[in-house]
Amino acid sequence: KNQVEQSPQSLIILEGKNCTLQCNYTVSPFSNLRWYKQDTGRGPVSLTIMTFSENTKSNGRYTATLDADTKQSSLHITASQLSDSASYICVVSDLYNFNKFYFGSGTKLNVKP
Amino acid sequence: NAGVTQTPKFQVLKTGQSMTLQCAQDMNHNSMYWYRQDPGMGLRLIYYSASEGTTDKGEVPNGYNVSRLNKREFSLRLESAAPSQTSVYFCASSESRGYTFGSGTRLTVV
Repeated sequence: KNQVEQSPQSLIILEGKNCTLQCNYTVSPFSNLRWYKQDTGRGPVSLTIMTFSENTKSNGRYTATLDADTKQSSLHITASQLSDSASYICVVSDLYNFNKFYFGSGTKLNVKP
Repeated sequence: NAGVTQTPKFQVLKTGQSMTLQCAQDMNHNSMYWYRQDPGMGLRLIYYSASEGTTDKGEVPNGYNVSRLNKREFSLRLESAAPSQTSVYFCASSESRGYTFGSGTRLTVV
């Protein structure tokens, strides 16, 4: 059973537009939720990390939100750039086992000029 | 500060051959992990090591062995490679708040 579901699976947007990626999870209790960016052929790189008590976290043009009650998170990208083309992965960690991480299958974003 | 270093970056094996993927981190992290990433599957945990001298199976351990040589190094061995092990392999290390990933090893088994 996949405890982290991401949507959409893929997304195409025009350069300069905004977009929002979704992450729903069932991991409970959870310790924190991370968003990673993975460029093609590279390892994932951390964008944001939020604990259950945080509602929003920004990193430049990336803003992550978290609703721990509904177990939903979103990653909003503002004024997209061609370099934002990548896969974005949501990762939720288990509160009682810090070695237990649940990965979503990712959203593949393609920003076109 | 190099972070997590994986070698090799690319490898082609024939079915039945063996090889070891190397991973080293310089962040003094206790925990290290090996993942495989297949199209549409996300990252799946093969093995992890919570500390030097300990290793545990993850979600997909069959066909693999690991060795935590010391705090810095965590190697993944394929004893008899199979085409189903064609994948991209990522090593990672972590403290409680997050991972640092290596750049990956693209392995093809023919």
